[in-house]
Amino acid sequence: QVQLVESRGGVVQPGRSLRLSCAVSGFTFSSYAMHWVRQAPGKGLEWVALISYDGNDKYYPDSVKGRFTISRDDSKNTLYLQMNSLRAEDTAVYYCGRDRLRRGTEVEYWGQGTLVTVSS
Amino acid sequence: QSALTQPASVSGSPGQSITISCTGTSSDVGGYNYVSWYQQHPGKAPKLMIYDVSNRPSGVSNRFSGSKSGNTASLTISGLQAEDEADYYCSSHTGTSIPVFGTGTKVTVL
Repeated sequence: QVQLVESRGGVVQPGRSLRLSCAVSGFTFSSYAMHWVRQAPGKGLEWVALISYDGNDKYYPDSVKGRFTISRDDSKNTLYLQMNSLRAEDTAVYYCGRDRLRRGTEVEYWGQGTLVTVSS
Repeated sequence: QSALTQPASVSGSPGQSITISCTGTSSDVGGYNYVSWYQQHPGKAPKLMIYDVSNRPSGVSNRFSGSKSGNTASLTISGLQAEDEADYYCSSHTGTSIPVFGTGTKVTVL
């Protein structure tokens, strides 16, 4: 069955960096667009990154553009989110997700989420 | 990249039908038939309930249905049940940008 498992988040100081990973199984990783979505405590969902199935196209909202980088390693069936210059407002549960197809329009499968806390 | 607008809360009694609206613009909801709906129970990951405006993934109850008119999409839950109490989020494709979520709606079963 489809499984997505995010790496452990943790507490990081403002201005520092953190890389999240998402190990997937149960499907052909290279055939699907992949997503990162976050949810601040008590708040709604926010898309933070999208990568096409072939890795050629990447999309970010203005809130993280220039600071976050999404990437994929199809040989390792793993999705990454490199987060630099972290801010307090980046504190959230981060979910990785698999697109339903290749379009990058909806998340059909979700990981369990990992909490990232940005605090001194 | 503004969030789509949803009512903060909607409530109904068991067995009733409720409808959640999701209002965007011609650049997102109104421009594409790529509206999705997600259900999220407390402490859990979201679950895809509707995609492409009105399609249900395998395993999702037919009590959930979606529609769209102009810049507003809607999710209807028929025969409301206790387990439907959750937060619901719409989302839409935005063309060349990243998709966008709605503000979220808390559904309460009275």
